[in-house]
Amino acid sequence: GAGVSQSPSNKVTEKGKDVELRCDPISGHTALYWYRQSLGQGLEFLIYFQGNSAPDKSGLPSDRFSAERTGGSVSTLTIQRTQQEDSAVYLCASSPVGAGEQFFGPGTRLTVL
Amino acid sequence: KNQVEQSPQSLIILEGKNCTLQCNYTVSPFSNLRWYKQDTGRGPVSLTIMTFSENTKSNGRYTATLDADTKQSSLHITASQLSDSASYICVVSAASGTYKYIFGTGTRLKVLA
Repeated sequence: GAGVSQSPSNKVTEKGKDVELRCDPISGHTALYWYRQSLGQGLEFLIYFQGNSAPDKSGLPSDRFSAERTGGSVSTLTIQRTQQEDSAVYLCASSPVGAGEQFFGPGTRLTVL
Repeated sequence: KNQVEQSPQSLIILEGKNCTLQCNYTVSPFSNLRWYKQDTGRGPVSLTIMTFSENTKSNGRYTATLDADTKQSSLHITASQLSDSASYICVVSAASGTYKYIFGTGTRLKVLA
């Protein structure tokens, strides 16, 4: 069956531009997570969606970062006015229930020039 | 502070050899510990999950051990194959039902022919 998909796989942008990263979770999974993976670092929690509950945005590093999940399925992570330090791999994961086993997408590699 | 430390950072072994990767954590209270395999350019894939009461769990040539008293875990890979070349990430859950996971920085394994 289809796993978690993310698009684009790679994104190169200029400093100051806005970017949108998309995540399609596994159908029926209620929980969705966004993480950032920088070179040599562990995965950094960004945001968590669970069903219709208010998302936990406590991991977002600044107000330039935002995310939404429409219809309990697809999620979009938006980074406004990108900075070079935003360069990283952004991973999305979904799980059938909150705190359940996570299934990760392949990630989006973002490079900010 | 909840932390997960992995060693070594990187490891090179010859095909057919065994190896052991280490994970030490300071997470408390402890709920469960997972090992993930992350191939280059892919998202992490779960190998094993262990709760407080479990000492060992196997998944094919992968065997994970857990000592909850010393807060240490290891991942043993038997008869390594070229396809085992990847990063191996230790992830600890702080409490039952939490969606906040603490990720180690991973061990990068390279298996040579």
